Amino acid sequence: DGGITQSPKYLFRKEGQNVTLSCEQNLNHDAMYWYRQDPGQGLRLIYYSQIVNDFQKGDIAEGYSVSREKKESFPLTVTSAQKNPTAFYLCASSIPQRPQHFGDGTRLSIL
Amino acid sequence: GQSLEQPSEVTAVEGAIVQINCTYQTSGFYGLSWYQQHDGGAPTFLSYNALDGLEETGRFSSFLSRSDSYGYLLLQELQMKDSASYFCAVREGRDDKIIFGKGTRLHILP
Repeated sequence: DGGITQSPKYLFRKEGQNVTLSCEQNLNHDAMYWYRQDPGQGLRLIYYSQIVNDFQKGDIAEGYSVSREKKESFPLTVTSAQKNPTAFYLCASSIPQRPQHFGDGTRLSIL
Repeated sequence: GQSLEQPSEVTAVEGAIVQINCTYQTSGFYGLSWYQQHDGGAPTFLSYNALDGLEETGRFSSFLSRSDSYGYLLLQELQMKDSASYFCAVREGRDDKIIFGKGTRLHILP
C-alpha cells in the first residue's frame, strides 16, 4: 500500500547530539513537509519542499536541517542547536494544491 | 503576521451536532483544510474548501467564506469515536506552504 513511513517511532537524544528522523513516501508526491507538535498544541511548520533539491524554511526552522536528494525521502536533522527538541515530529506529503497525507510520527525525547 | 484562531475546547452530547469555527489571517490564501487527530496519532484529512460554500462528506461538512476569512467544520450525529482534536489549516501560497491552527479539543458526553 502507498503511504508515508516515519522512523524510528521513538528516539532519544543526548545533550549535544545531532539526530536524524527519517521520512519516506511512495505516493509519488512532489511536496513534503516537517511539523513539530508539542503536547496539547497545534502543528508548527519546520521545513517544506516542493521539488527535489529545493526546500524552504517554515516558521520554526532554527536548530533543524533537511535535505531532499530524492523525491521519496525528506530526512530531518535535529541539531544540538535546538535547545528544546522534545516533541512529536510529523512528516507529511501532498500533490500540489491537494490535502496532505501524514506519517505516524516520531517522538523525540532528551536523555 | 499569519494566524489561525479556533476554540481550544468544545463539548457536545452524543448524537448532537457541533460546529468548530476557524478564522484566519494569512498573507495569501489558497484553501482551508480540516484534520482530525486522536490522542497519540497522526492527523487525518477530513475536508477541504478552496471556494466559498459548503462541502459535505458524510457526517462531516465544512464551510468557507473567503470575504470573512472564516470557515467552520460541522459534525453531525456525533459518536463517541469523534472525541479528538480538530485542526484547521490554510494553504498560504502558491509554494504549497501550509500552516495549522492550534486545534480544538472535542469532548463528547454520553
